[in-house]
Amino acid sequence: NAGVTQTPKFRILKIGQSMTLQCAQDMNHNYMYWYRQDPGMGLKLIYYSVGAGITDKGEVPNGYNVSRSTTEDFPLRLELAAPSQTSVYFCATASPGFMNTEAFFGQGTRLTVV
Amino acid sequence: GDSVTQMEGPVTLSEEAFLTINCTYTATGYPSLFWYVQYPGEGLQLLLKATKADDKGSNKGFEATYRKETTSFHLEKGSVQVSDSAVYFCALTRGSSGSARQLTFGSGTQLTVLP
Repeated sequence: NAGVTQTPKFRILKIGQSMTLQCAQDMNHNYMYWYRQDPGMGLKLIYYSVGAGITDKGEVPNGYNVSRSTTEDFPLRLELAAPSQTSVYFCATASPGFMNTEAFFGQGTRLTVV
Repeated sequence: GDSVTQMEGPVTLSEEAFLTINCTYTATGYPSLFWYVQYPGEGLQLLLKATKADDKGSNKGFEATYRKETTSFHLEKGSVQVSDSAVYFCALTRGSSGSARQLTFGSGTQLTVLP
C-alpha cells in the first residue's frame, strides 16, 4: 500500500526559482493538507482541501499556491523561492470522520533555498 | 485560536526509565486529542488518541488521559526502549460541521533513549 507519496524527498533551490512539490494518495480520502515543519516550531498548516476543486488557506499560505483537480493529487507550488521557505514539507490526508480517525502523512520533502 | 503547548526538549533517558511528556491545550468546545510520533527520516504516524474527557488512549505501552479540567493530555510510558527514540507531537482537532478538520500541533519533543 503506497498511502501518501511525496516527491521529491530533497531539493535545493536558488532564490527566485520555482518548483512544485507533489503529493499523491491512494486512500480515497477527501481531505488533504500541506504542512511545513520548522525546527522547534511544530507543524504549521499552509493550505488544505476538502475535495477536488476546493482549496483554502491555512495559517501560513503566503508564497505558496495549491490546486486540487483530482481526489488523488494535491500539488504545492512555490513561485519565487525565498530563504524563509527552507523547511520540511509534509502532505497529509484524512477521511471526513477526522475527529475519530487519524491523519496519514507522507515522508516529507526537505527543501533548502539558498 | 486553538493552540497546543508541549514541554521543551530534547529529553534524554536511559533504557527502562519512566517517560512523561507534558502537553496542554487551548481550544473552545470539545476537541479530540492526539499524540503523533515521527521516527527519523519518516513522516508522522498516529501513536494514540482520545476523543472525549476522561478517555485514555494507549498504544505500544504509551498512555495519555484526556483531562478537561486541566486541559492536558500528558504522554507516559513506564519503561522506555531505545526504539522509542523519536520526536513526539501532541495535537488537537476541533472539526465542526461543514468545515475541514485541521490538526493543530505542538512544537514536538525530541526523545533519545540510551542503552
